[in-house]
Amino acid sequence: DTAVSQTPKYLVTQMGNDKSIKCEQNLGHDTMYWYKQDSKKFLKIMFSYNNKELIINETVPNRFSPKSPDKAHLNLHINSLELGDSAVYFCASSRTGLAFYEQYFGPGTRLTVT
Amino acid sequence: AQSVTQLDSHVSVSEGTPVLLRCNYSSSYSPSLFWYVQHPNKGLQLLLKYTSAATLVKGINGFEAEFKKSETSFHLTKPSAHMSDAAEYFCVVRSIQRGGSQGNLIFGKGTKLSVKP
Repeated sequence: DTAVSQTPKYLVTQMGNDKSIKCEQNLGHDTMYWYKQDSKKFLKIMFSYNNKELIINETVPNRFSPKSPDKAHLNLHINSLELGDSAVYFCASSRTGLAFYEQYFGPGTRLTVT
Repeated sequence: AQSVTQLDSHVSVSEGTPVLLRCNYSSSYSPSLFWYVQHPNKGLQLLLKYTSAATLVKGINGFEAEFKKSETSFHLTKPSAHMSDAAEYFCVVRSIQRGGSQGNLIFGKGTKLSVKP
Protein backbone atom coordinates (compact mmCIF):
# COMPACT_ATOMS: atom_id res chain seq x y z
CA ASP A 1 0.00 0.00 0.00
CA THR A 2 1.30 3.41 -0.97
CA ALA A 3 1.64 5.66 2.08
CA VAL A 4 1.73 9.02 0.30
CA SER A 5 0.56 9.18 -3.30
CA GLN A 6 0.53 12.00 -5.81
CA THR A 7 -1.12 12.44 -9.17
CA PRO A 8 -0.11 13.04 -11.82
CA LYS A 9 3.48 11.86 -11.88
CA TYR A 10 4.27 14.04 -14.88
CA LEU A 11 2.57 17.25 -15.94
CA VAL A 12 3.46 19.20 -19.07
CA THR A 13 1.56 22.40 -19.72
CA GLN A 14 1.85 25.82 -21.29
CA MET A 15 2.48 29.15 -19.66
CA GLY A 16 -0.63 30.84 -18.37
CA ASN A 17 -2.57 27.65 -17.72
CA ASP A 18 -4.01 26.61 -14.37
CA LYS A 19 -3.22 23.13 -13.03
CA SER A 20 -3.69 21.04 -9.91
CA ILE A 21 -1.64 18.31 -8.27
CA LYS A 22 -3.36 15.91 -5.92
CA CYS A 23 -1.92 14.27 -2.82
CA GLU A 24 -3.33 11.61 -0.54
CA GLN A 25 -1.90 9.90 2.53
CA ASN A 26 -3.21 6.79 4.25
CA LEU A 27 -0.99 7.02 7.33
CA GLY A 28 -3.51 8.77 9.56
CA HIS A 29 -1.27 11.83 9.83
CA ASP A 30 -2.77 15.22 10.52
CA THR A 31 -0.05 17.39 9.02
CA MET A 32 0.72 17.57 5.32
CA TYR A 33 3.22 19.56 3.30
CA TRP A 34 4.16 20.66 -0.18
CA TYR A 35 7.80 21.01 -1.21
CA LYS A 36 9.40 22.29 -4.39
CA GLN A 37 12.62 20.74 -5.70
CA ASP A 38 14.41 22.84 -8.28
CA SER A 39 16.71 21.72 -11.09
CA LYS A 40 19.68 21.73 -8.70
CA LYS A 41 17.88 19.29 -6.40
CA PHE A 42 17.36 21.95 -3.73
CA LEU A 43 14.25 21.22 -1.64
CA LYS A 44 12.26 23.96 -0.02
CA ILE A 45 9.00 23.85 1.86
CA MET A 46 6.10 25.72 0.32
CA PHE A 47 3.24 25.01 2.72
CA SER A 48 2.41 23.01 5.77
CA TYR A 49 -1.19 22.27 6.66
CA ASN A 50 -2.32 20.94 10.01
CA ASN A 51 -5.95 19.85 10.11
CA LYS A 52 -7.76 23.07 9.34
CA GLU A 53 -4.83 25.40 9.89
CA LEU A 54 -2.80 26.50 6.91
CA ILE A 55 0.70 27.83 7.41
CA ILE A 56 1.85 29.81 4.40
CA ASN A 57 5.44 30.32 3.45
CA GLU A 58 5.81 33.96 2.61
CA THR A 59 8.12 33.32 -0.33
CA VAL A 60 5.48 31.41 -2.23
CA PRO A 61 3.58 33.47 -4.85
CA ASN A 62 -0.13 33.69 -4.24
CA ARG A 63 -0.65 31.90 -7.56
CA PHE A 64 -0.06 28.77 -5.50
CA SER A 65 -2.91 27.69 -3.28
CA PRO A 66 -3.24 24.51 -1.25
CA LYS A 67 -6.66 23.03 -0.70
CA SER A 68 -7.47 20.34 1.82
CA PRO A 69 -10.87 18.67 1.58
CA ASP A 70 -9.98 16.50 4.59
CA LYS A 71 -6.91 15.68 6.59
CA ALA A 72 -5.91 12.82 4.27
CA HIS A 73 -5.76 15.03 1.18
CA LEU A 74 -3.83 18.14 0.31
CA ASN A 75 -4.02 19.39 -3.25
CA LEU A 76 -1.93 22.11 -4.80
CA HIS A 77 -3.51 24.45 -7.32
CA ILE A 78 -1.35 26.70 -9.44
CA ASN A 79 -2.77 29.62 -11.42
CA SER A 80 -1.18 31.37 -14.39
CA LEU A 81 1.75 28.98 -14.67
CA GLU A 82 5.16 30.48 -15.41
CA LEU A 83 8.35 28.97 -16.81
CA GLY A 84 9.97 29.26 -13.38
CA ASP A 85 7.36 26.97 -11.89
CA SER A 86 8.97 24.03 -13.66
CA ALA A 87 10.21 21.75 -10.90
CA VAL A 88 9.42 18.55 -9.04
CA TYR A 89 6.76 19.01 -6.39
CA PHE A 90 6.68 16.66 -3.43
CA CYS A 91 3.87 16.10 -1.01
CA ALA A 92 4.67 14.82 2.49
CA SER A 93 2.89 14.03 5.72
CA SER A 94 3.77 13.54 9.36
CA ARG A 95 2.37 13.22 12.82
CA THR A 96 2.02 16.45 14.74
CA GLY A 97 3.73 17.11 18.03
CA LEU A 98 7.36 16.20 18.46
CA ALA A 99 10.10 17.60 16.29
CA PHE A 100 11.57 14.18 15.60
CA TYR A 101 8.48 12.85 13.89
CA GLU A 102 9.73 12.19 10.38
CA GLN A 103 7.95 13.20 7.24
CA TYR A 104 6.89 10.66 4.66
CA PHE A 105 7.23 11.80 1.08
CA GLY A 106 5.27 11.04 -2.03
CA PRO A 107 6.96 10.05 -5.31
CA GLY A 108 6.84 13.59 -6.70
CA THR A 109 5.18 15.33 -9.62
CA ARG A 110 7.47 16.62 -12.34
CA LEU A 111 5.92 19.83 -13.70
CA THR A 112 7.21 21.20 -16.98
CA VAL A 113 5.94 24.56 -18.16
CA THR A 114 6.59 25.38 -21.82
CA ALA B 1 17.78 30.47 12.73
CA GLN B 2 18.37 26.90 11.70
CA SER B 3 20.52 25.81 8.82
CA VAL B 4 22.35 22.78 7.54
CA THR B 5 25.46 22.56 5.38
CA GLN B 6 26.46 19.50 3.43
CA LEU B 7 30.15 19.90 2.88
CA ASP B 8 30.43 17.90 -0.34
CA SER B 9 28.18 18.22 -3.35
CA HIS B 10 29.55 15.01 -4.85
CA VAL B 11 31.28 11.99 -3.32
CA SER B 12 32.60 9.11 -5.36
CA VAL B 13 33.64 5.79 -3.83
CA SER B 14 34.43 2.31 -5.06
CA GLU B 15 32.12 -0.56 -4.25
CA GLY B 16 33.10 -2.17 -0.97
CA THR B 17 34.86 0.90 0.43
CA PRO B 18 33.57 3.11 3.26
CA VAL B 19 31.19 6.01 2.72
CA LEU B 20 31.37 9.34 4.55
CA LEU B 21 28.88 12.11 3.81
CA ARG B 22 29.45 15.21 5.89
CA CYS B 23 26.85 17.47 7.43
CA ASN B 24 27.07 20.42 9.81
CA TYR B 25 24.04 22.08 11.36
CA SER B 26 23.14 25.28 13.10
CA SER B 27 20.24 25.46 15.51
CA SER B 28 19.17 27.79 18.28
CA TYR B 29 17.40 25.05 20.18
CA SER B 30 17.75 21.31 20.51
CA PRO B 31 17.56 19.98 16.95
CA SER B 32 16.14 16.88 15.45
CA LEU B 33 18.28 15.69 12.58
CA PHE B 34 17.50 13.40 9.69
CA TRP B 35 19.15 11.87 6.67
CA TYR B 36 17.00 11.21 3.63
CA VAL B 37 17.97 9.42 0.41
CA GLN B 38 16.58 10.09 -3.05
CA HIS B 39 17.21 7.59 -5.79
CA PRO B 40 16.96 8.83 -9.38
CA ASN B 41 13.44 9.89 -10.28
CA LYS B 42 12.11 8.72 -6.93
CA GLY B 43 10.75 10.32 -3.80
CA LEU B 44 12.64 10.78 -0.56
CA GLN B 45 13.11 7.94 1.88
CA LEU B 46 14.13 8.32 5.50
CA LEU B 47 17.47 6.68 6.28
CA LEU B 48 17.72 7.58 9.95
CA LYS B 49 16.92 10.23 12.51
CA TYR B 50 18.45 11.68 15.66
CA THR B 51 16.04 12.23 18.52
CA SER B 52 18.45 12.84 21.44
CA ALA B 53 18.02 9.29 22.74
CA ALA B 54 21.47 8.19 21.54
CA THR B 55 24.24 10.01 19.75
CA LEU B 56 25.01 7.10 17.42
CA VAL B 57 22.02 6.40 15.25
CA LYS B 58 21.61 3.32 13.11
CA GLY B 59 19.46 3.45 10.02
CA ILE B 60 18.40 1.30 7.13
CA ASN B 61 20.69 -0.39 4.61
CA GLY B 62 23.70 -0.35 6.95
CA PHE B 63 23.93 3.43 7.29
CA GLU B 64 24.60 5.17 10.57
CA ALA B 65 25.26 8.69 11.77
CA GLU B 66 26.82 10.20 14.86
CA PHE B 67 25.52 13.37 16.48
CA LYS B 68 28.39 15.49 17.81
CA LYS B 69 27.13 18.57 19.59
CA SER B 70 30.58 20.03 20.16
CA GLU B 71 31.25 19.93 16.43
CA THR B 72 27.63 20.62 15.38
CA SER B 73 27.97 17.69 13.01
CA PHE B 74 25.83 14.75 11.93
CA HIS B 75 27.94 12.85 9.41
CA LEU B 76 26.52 9.81 7.61
CA THR B 77 28.65 6.71 7.25
CA LYS B 78 28.51 3.20 5.89
CA PRO B 79 31.32 0.65 6.22
CA SER B 80 31.01 -0.80 2.73
CA ALA B 81 29.36 0.86 -0.26
CA HIS B 82 27.08 -1.05 -2.57
CA MET B 83 26.17 -0.12 -6.13
CA SER B 84 22.56 0.38 -5.03
CA ASP B 85 23.68 3.16 -2.65
CA ALA B 86 24.25 5.52 -5.58
CA ALA B 87 21.75 8.32 -4.97
CA GLU B 88 21.31 11.85 -3.65
CA TYR B 89 21.52 12.22 0.13
CA PHE B 90 19.99 15.06 2.12
CA CYS B 91 20.84 16.12 5.63
CA VAL B 92 17.85 17.78 7.30
CA VAL B 93 17.40 19.75 10.52
CA ARG B 94 14.21 20.51 12.38
CA SER B 95 14.12 22.53 15.52
CA ILE B 96 11.69 23.12 18.27
CA GLN B 97 10.73 26.76 18.17
CA ARG B 98 10.38 28.99 21.17
CA GLY B 99 7.16 27.99 22.86
CA GLY B 100 7.57 24.37 21.84
CA SER B 101 6.09 24.42 18.37
CA GLN B 102 7.71 22.46 15.57
CA GLY B 103 9.89 24.29 13.10
CA ASN B 104 9.97 23.44 9.43
CA LEU B 105 12.36 20.94 7.94
CA ILE B 106 15.43 22.68 6.56
CA PHE B 107 17.17 20.67 3.84
CA GLY B 108 20.82 20.70 2.93
CA LYS B 109 21.69 21.08 -0.73
CA GLY B 110 22.34 17.39 -1.09
CA THR B 111 25.33 15.17 -1.73
CA LYS B 112 25.38 12.98 -4.79
CA LEU B 113 26.97 9.64 -4.03
CA SER B 114 28.47 7.74 -6.94
CA VAL B 115 29.64 4.15 -6.51
CA LYS B 116 32.16 2.73 -8.94
CA PRO B 117 32.37 -1.00 -9.64
